[in-house]
Amino acid sequence: NAGVTQTPKFQVLKTGQSMTLQCAQDMNHEYMSWYRQDPGMGLRLIHYSVGAGITDQGEVPNGYNVSRSTTEDFPLRLLSAAPSQTSVYFCASKRQFNSNQPQHFGDGTRLSIL
Amino acid sequence: GESVGLHLPTLSVQEGDNSIINCAYSNSASDYFIWYKQESGKGPQFIIDIRSNMDKRQGQRVTVLLNKTVKHLSLQIAATQPGDSAVYFCAEARPGYSTLTFGKGTMLLVSP
Repeated sequence: NAGVTQTPKFQVLKTGQSMTLQCAQDMNHEYMSWYRQDPGMGLRLIHYSVGAGITDQGEVPNGYNVSRSTTEDFPLRLLSAAPSQTSVYFCASKRQFNSNQPQHFGDGTRLSIL
Repeated sequence: GESVGLHLPTLSVQEGDNSIINCAYSNSASDYFIWYKQESGKGPQFIIDIRSNMDKRQGQRVTVLLNKTVKHLSLQIAATQPGDSAVYFCAEARPGYSTLTFGKGTMLLVSP
């Protein structure tokens, strides 16, 4: 099993450009989530999904959209990139959304907005 | 350690020492806690978890202690090795909530 796979690993954008960060998991996990990690701020939740067709906002959702059309995929969209969105983005999943289980993380996408 | 501004608190130890990393969690209703290890350029990796009905849980070379009275969590690493050098995060979850809240992290540096 590959676990949680994120693409691309690195990306540089110009202000105002749009892009989609991809996340896929092959563990048939119900729950998937997106975090951003900034120096000194830890991991902050952007959006999450408790199953296909269901998404919800986390702590810092502004400027980001998500969708969950399949169990496996949970893409994160930046509609109009801003320098404040320069960060490292992590996708994570766990088997059941309402259970006490650890989340499994991908290796991240490092995004720079110029 | 306590988080201070943009700088991660850092714990420096010698190889073979025991390490203790501390975390103060925020919500007294939290009932599930996890420690993650993050190496440079990688995603967080699960180390050990504990539920609120326990005070202590042991894994291989790691022990997590939970003190609900003062909302404190600690991770003890026995016989620390250079490969243990990483940033360590604690995370908490509340009953009925699927999401995790992460602490700001502590950097562990192990010198040979």
